[in-house]
Amino acid sequence: SQTIHQWPATLVQPVGSPLSLECTVEGTSNPNLYWYRQAAGRGLQLLFYSVGIGQISSEVPQNLSASRPQDRQFILSSKKLLLSDSGFYLCAWSSGTGQEKLFFGSGTQLSVL
Amino acid sequence: GQSLEQPSEVTAVEGAIVQINCTYQTSGFYGLSWYQQHDGGAPTFLSYNALDGLEETGRFSSFLSRSDSYGYLLLQELQMKDSASYFCTSPGFQKLVFGTGTRLLVSP
Repeated sequence: SQTIHQWPATLVQPVGSPLSLECTVEGTSNPNLYWYRQAAGRGLQLLFYSVGIGQISSEVPQNLSASRPQDRQFILSSKKLLLSDSGFYLCAWSSGTGQEKLFFGSGTQLSVL
Repeated sequence: GQSLEQPSEVTAVEGAIVQINCTYQTSGFYGLSWYQQHDGGAPTFLSYNALDGLEETGRFSSFLSRSDSYGYLLLQELQMKDSASYFCTSPGFQKLVFGTGTRLLVSP
C-alpha cells in the first residue's frame, strides 16, 4: 500500500533562518507531488507541483523553492524565512494518470517568529 | 483559470441532513472531488464525480451538474465527528485547485 511521510510535524524558526521540509512517498512510482500551504482557518494554496524528477512548477511567486531530487522525494526550502511564511504546510501525491484523488501527508505547522 | 466557491460555514444538529454546495468556473473541467479536513489534520478524500449525477458512499453522497457548473456534498445522519471543513476541488491539468472550504459545525 502507498504511504506518504512528511516531517517535522511542528517547527518554530526565527525570521531569516533557512527552511527544509521533506516529504517521501512509498509504494508507488512516478507520482505527481504537491506542496500546499494553509493559513489558519483558510483554504489550501497550491505552492508547487511536480510531475517528475527535476520538474517543478511554481504557482505563486514567493520566498520558497521546491526540489525533487528523487522520484518519490519532494523538498520545500527557503534561504531566509519571513514572518508571512508561517502556516500549515502539506505535501500530497496523486497518481500520475489523474489528479482527482490526492493523498496528503500529516502536515508541518511552521511558526516563524 | 479555475475558481470554486462554497459557503463559508454551515451549522446542523446531530442526526440531520446537510448539503454543502460548490459552484465552479474552470477553463477545462475534469470533474469534482470532495475532501474533509478536521482541525489540525490533513485533508482526506471523500468522493469524486466525473459525470453528472449522484455518487453515494455510505452516509455521504456527492452530486454534479456540469450544465449548471454546480455540485454538492450531502451528509446524512450527521454525527459530531462530522464537524470539520469540507473542500470541493477540481482537477486541472497536472494540478488540483481547492475551493475556499465550508466549515460544518454539528451540535448535539
